Amino acid sequence: KQEVTQIPAALSVPEGENLVLNCSFTDSAIYNLQWFRQDPGKGLTSLLLIQSSQREQTSGRLNASLDKSSGRSTLYIAASQPGDSATYLCAVQTGANNLFFGTGTRLTVIP
Amino acid sequence: GAGVSQSPSNKVTEKGKDVELRCDPISGHTALYWYRQSLGQGLEFLIYFQGNSAPDKSGLPSDRFSAERTGGSVSTLTIQRTQQEDSAVYLCASSPDLIETQYFGPGTRLLVL
Repeated sequence: KQEVTQIPAALSVPEGENLVLNCSFTDSAIYNLQWFRQDPGKGLTSLLLIQSSQREQTSGRLNASLDKSSGRSTLYIAASQPGDSATYLCAVQTGANNLFFGTGTRLTVIP
Repeated sequence: GAGVSQSPSNKVTEKGKDVELRCDPISGHTALYWYRQSLGQGLEFLIYFQGNSAPDKSGLPSDRFSAERTGGSVSTLTIQRTQQEDSAVYLCASSPDLIETQYFGPGTRLLVL
């Protein structure tokens, strides 16, 4: 069964810093990998989706990379802001009907 | 446009009662998913609907859980004879088609006393 791990579990950084969140998965046979953001008391917001044939995706200050062969993805956040504080989840899709989630990294950006 | 909506946003119930959770997907999305997030744990897949195909129920934790999707749109997740371990946030997501970005609703927070 696919297992998704996210490191670190929690991270605190001062405003303005660049940071990297890590995600690893055990089975490289994936369709895509997604990064989500979860704010307290709210649902998930999709940030970036990387298809299995792609190496990276960028959206604004966010850049996600995918190394399928090694089972790794990183989410890079540039010039962090207090509004970036949230839990970030990565998820891999291994079939048409299944998405395996990591347990998330709780990010706090300190003003 | 309107996103995925879920109701109720919060539900408190007594052990043994039945509950129904509702999901309104984004219009035109053919795929609909239910997930559960228990305290301190990751998201757990429950069930998936795609078009008119039979749903994939492989993630349902017990036969007390069931779901239906009427007319290819609204979905209802029903939990019968609720137990305290059913307490969790239940999230619904929809996507335009297979292997597309999933858009999540705000979730229903269920507390079973």
